Amino acid sequence: AQKITQTQPGMFVQEKEAVTLDCTYDTSDQSYGLFWYKQPSSGEMIFLIYQGSYDEQNATEGRYSLNFQKARKSANLVISASQLGDSAMYFCAMREGLTTSSGSARQLTFGSGTQLTVLP
Amino acid sequence: NAGVTQTPKFQVLKTGQSMTLQCAQDMNHEYMSWYRQDPGMGLRLIHYSVGAGITDQGEVPNGYNVSRSTTEDFPLRLLSAAPSQTSVYFCASSPDRGGGTEAFFGQGTRLTVV
Repeated sequence: AQKITQTQPGMFVQEKEAVTLDCTYDTSDQSYGLFWYKQPSSGEMIFLIYQGSYDEQNATEGRYSLNFQKARKSANLVISASQLGDSAMYFCAMREGLTTSSGSARQLTFGSGTQLTVLP
Repeated sequence: NAGVTQTPKFQVLKTGQSMTLQCAQDMNHEYMSWYRQDPGMGLRLIHYSVGAGITDQGEVPNGYNVSRSTTEDFPLRLLSAAPSQTSVYFCASSPDRGGGTEAFFGQGTRLTVV
């Protein structure tokens, strides 16, 4: 089974509108972390936001917020007031086993990504 | 800070050739990893290291070797390049043994095997 599922290969949003990028995950660990990265056309991986499984509040970083629904195992990224520069590929990733000593368990597992295009 | 530096940025290899992708970080991070990125598949873990002298296989290790003789360097070796290894390769490092600290990525190496 896929550990990280991003079901939207491509999304379009009008400039200044909000957009939600979906991410569902699968883990049996109680302690894990969820990350979102942005990859613009230039290719670099840019960290956006992090949510820990025990965090009670949804994470926010500027225009980015993470809609964390633990029971549904979803960690959707919300971008408010979209800008043209937000056009990029967005990846959801998970790090499991935060309290174990297993190195393999604590590597990042990525979803397949969502290509976001912001329209002027 | 330079962060994570990968070289080269682009490479074309012939089938059967070998080469080493270089990765260096100057942040004294314990964890380093190599990923490959293929269209529609996200990033997949090739090999990783939890410290100098310690390496292990990830999801797609076949055809690749790694070593970690120093904290700073984590080279990835392609033993006999195949067209299936055409991909974009990312090196990443992390300071944390498993917490919420993000991984820092290099700029990537675009490899084409013909």
